[in-house]
Amino acid sequence: DSGVTQTPKHLITATGQRVTLRCSPRSGDLSVYWYQQSLDQGLQFLIQYYNGEERAKGNILERFSAQQFPDLHSELNLSSLELGDSALYFCASSVGGRNHNEQFFGPGTRLTVL
Amino acid sequence: AQKVTQAQTEISVVEKEDVTLDCVYETRDTTYYLFWYKQPPSGELVFLIRRNSFDEQNEISGRYSWNFQKSTSSFNFTITASQVVDSAVYFCALSESASSGTYKYIFGTGTRLKVLA
Repeated sequence: DSGVTQTPKHLITATGQRVTLRCSPRSGDLSVYWYQQSLDQGLQFLIQYYNGEERAKGNILERFSAQQFPDLHSELNLSSLELGDSALYFCASSVGGRNHNEQFFGPGTRLTVL
Repeated sequence: AQKVTQAQTEISVVEKEDVTLDCVYETRDTTYYLFWYKQPPSGELVFLIRRNSFDEQNEISGRYSWNFQKSTSSFNFTITASQVVDSAVYFCALSESASSGTYKYIFGTGTRLKVLA
């Protein structure tokens, strides 16, 4: 158990809908990262927040947004969902905000868009 | 462009055999970090090792060892005397600073290792 929690574990929704994925980092970690893992795209880095501020941005679609709250938990919002958004979404956390920090991953949220 | 290549999609070995997972990367940065992560069947990624671009020392941790060679842009991972519990997907990853001052994290496509009893 990494100490990173993600809810929900599974989510099934329809195209065009909007969902919110939640992540709580390990105690003491200030950075939160979001990743998408799909069969065709592999593991893709989406975005990183450090102490409430956006720190790094990867291949995140405009339909997706994220934020980190004062209590350091983070939410990833996915809107206008398409079939291709079906994937496993991982959250990770690290102590610092630099790119050399080891990341601790949560169990993931499996999103199915029908 | 930054890239991480894990050419071996899937490897099967018999228990107690040694196995090497290859990772080749491309970057223009002089300062970067390389990582290996393990994703067991349970799905959760587990950090294994980090190496910075200035440290070419090989590392050994129990049955695991890593060979970093800047000359060939490779960061290979060897498991000695493999065990069934080593069965997982292994990802190599690169992290570097982007020109905008932010960071990029690039993962390889992963190598699925099957260790047969």
